[in-house]
Amino acid sequence: AQSVTQLDSQVPVFEEAPVELRCNYSSSVSVYLFWYVQYPNQGLQLLLKYLSGSTLVKGINGFEAEFNKSQTSFHLRKPSVHISDTAEYFCAVRGQAGTALIFGKGTTLSVSS
Amino acid sequence: EAGVAQSPRYKIIEKRQSVAFWCNPISGHATLYWYQQILGQGPKLLIQFQNNGVVDDSQLPKDRFSAERLKGVDSTLKIQPAKLEDSAVYLCASSLVGEQYFGPGTRLTVT
Repeated sequence: AQSVTQLDSQVPVFEEAPVELRCNYSSSVSVYLFWYVQYPNQGLQLLLKYLSGSTLVKGINGFEAEFNKSQTSFHLRKPSVHISDTAEYFCAVRGQAGTALIFGKGTTLSVSS
Repeated sequence: EAGVAQSPRYKIIEKRQSVAFWCNPISGHATLYWYQQILGQGPKLLIQFQNNGVVDDSQLPKDRFSAERLKGVDSTLKIQPAKLEDSAVYLCASSLVGEQYFGPGTRLTVT
């Protein structure tokens, strides 16, 4: 069985500061990892994904994440956040293509000036 | 290309009433998913279709929830009768291979 744990439910940060949103996963098979962002009253938008290859993955809006197999982590980072990054962020895992995503509980990122 | 469409966007009903949600996936996407997102939690799969066949409905409360995907395109999700704990956002997603694309969701409030 697969599972995802997002270690922080809320992360407050000031504008232009760096941020890291933490995600740990568990799986007995090869996994594919994703980060989604959800703005208020909107659906989920894919930020980035790790399928294979380089463990450092770059996504949209200046976000990146690093896959660490030994620590079973896939933390999301951004060197300098903007007010517009305020949203809910979800880490997700799935097995082979065509299977459903398993999501963490989400992390609320609040960026203030 | 058009995204995943869902309607209605919002729905308020009383408990024990019935409700239906509609989803139109991205054209050509064979796989369609319905997820339930309760406030403060991540989305949870309810049912997955491959064309018009069910792949996984293990987490669908079948005593009150039903879903269909006639002709392998549009899909409807129904709840009958609704309970207070069904208040959530119902997200539809579709995929061709790999990446899932999500619709805006239907926010259901059961009073």
